Amino acid sequence: DIQMTQSPSTLSASVGDRVTITCRASQSISTWLAWYQHKPGKAPKLLIYKASTLESGVPSRFSGSGSGTEFTLTISSLHPDDFATYYCQQFDGYSYSFGQGTKLEIK
Amino acid sequence: EVQLVESGGGLVQPGGSLRLSCAASGFNVSRNYMSWVRQAPGKGLEWVSVLYSGGSIYYADSVKGRFTISRHNSKNTLYLQMNSLRPEDTAVYYCARDYYGAGRLDLWGQGTLVTVSS
Repeated sequence: DIQMTQSPSTLSASVGDRVTITCRASQSISTWLAWYQHKPGKAPKLLIYKASTLESGVPSRFSGSGSGTEFTLTISSLHPDDFATYYCQQFDGYSYSFGQGTKLEIK
Repeated sequence: EVQLVESGGGLVQPGGSLRLSCAASGFNVSRNYMSWVRQAPGKGLEWVSVLYSGGSIYYADSVKGRFTISRHNSKNTLYLQMNSLRPEDTAVYYCARDYYGAGRLDLWGQGTLVTVSS
């Protein structure tokens, strides 16, 4: 099974900051990588898929990059609504797995 | 409207069984990859199982042999039969769609809470 490791686990930042979250896969997954935003009591929201494709309706301040085993999610300028937990997710053609999550907190 | 609505959660004793349902509207469950994902209290998201449009099925090791995923095409509904439940299965269970198997979960239900406790 492919293991996904995110860093950091917690990130403290301020409105307007640029932040980056990293996700590493235990083996190459090409670009089969998605990013989600999750808020308490709500369904997770797809932000990015195929490592760098922005889901329809997602603000352009979100971007993704990477391939193989190392990926990043960048938020160019934090808005108040962006404070949430973020997960990466891989698909190996059979099953899926998530990273452990990165909680983005207000500094 | 395109949506997923889960039901069937509740309180069950260890060793018991429960069946979750996920009713889809606005698209065909049978033409998409449909997954169950769970989140235990204070923990992250954990993928549980997937049913491909072609009928292939995969499970996470943590539920293999205890959980069964299925669908009813005419009811446009996905199911998760959960047997031999353990306290560590306590979680909010979400169903989610992978649109035509593109490797990402683009549509989620609101979740249903399963509590395994005596």
